[in-house]
Amino acid sequence: QKEVEQNSGPLSVPEGAIASLNCTYSDRVSQSFFWYRQYSGKSPELIMSIYSNGDKEDGRFTAQLNKASQYVSLLIRDSQPSDSATYLCAIKVGGYNKLIFGAGTRLAVHP
Amino acid sequence: DAGVIQSPRHEVTEMGQEVTLRCKPISGHDYLFWYRQTMMRGLELLIYFNNNVPIDDSGMPEDRFSAKMPNASFSTLKIQPSEPRDSAVYFCASTPGAGQNSPLHFGNGTRLTVT
Repeated sequence: QKEVEQNSGPLSVPEGAIASLNCTYSDRVSQSFFWYRQYSGKSPELIMSIYSNGDKEDGRFTAQLNKASQYVSLLIRDSQPSDSATYLCAIKVGGYNKLIFGAGTRLAVHP
Repeated sequence: DAGVIQSPRHEVTEMGQEVTLRCKPISGHDYLFWYRQTMMRGLELLIYFNNNVPIDDSGMPEDRFSAKMPNASFSTLKIQPSEPRDSAVYFCASTPGAGQNSPLHFGNGTRLTVT
């Protein structure tokens, strides 16, 4: 089993809709979770981090963490075509300072 | 700050040749990471350093790969000899510490093509 699992997509949503991206992980000790966005041909950039169970909101983005079920999700409200990118889920492996990434989910927002 | 700087941006080489990728982390960042990204395998951690010392190289695929960090402002990833399956985008990233609020800052990557 991979340490971080994501549906590769593509996830296609209409402009203005809510995009929901999901991620599961296997390391029960992990305490830090991140969402990165990567545009085609570019490097990953951090958009959200979450460390505690529950929701964390930042503008149109909401990260949700459930450690008991070992999943983390990202909601994007009022999706825009500019949100079209690959979204990478990452976890900091428990006890170490190394970030392990999922394969990413490609999001396509169509006008 | 200029961010993490990688060179070259693109590298095309023939199978069997030596390839050296370079990285300058953000000043003051104590951790440096080398990642490889391919369509098939995604973003894989190859090795990371803390204060210039290699901490975990378990992701280095084989002995053809080696990485060094001779000082706090410079690291290299070397492949010798290179093979077509090494073709990928190689990213360097740095972070100031091990705390929760220490996200990775990525460089622009080096696209390596081995023919």
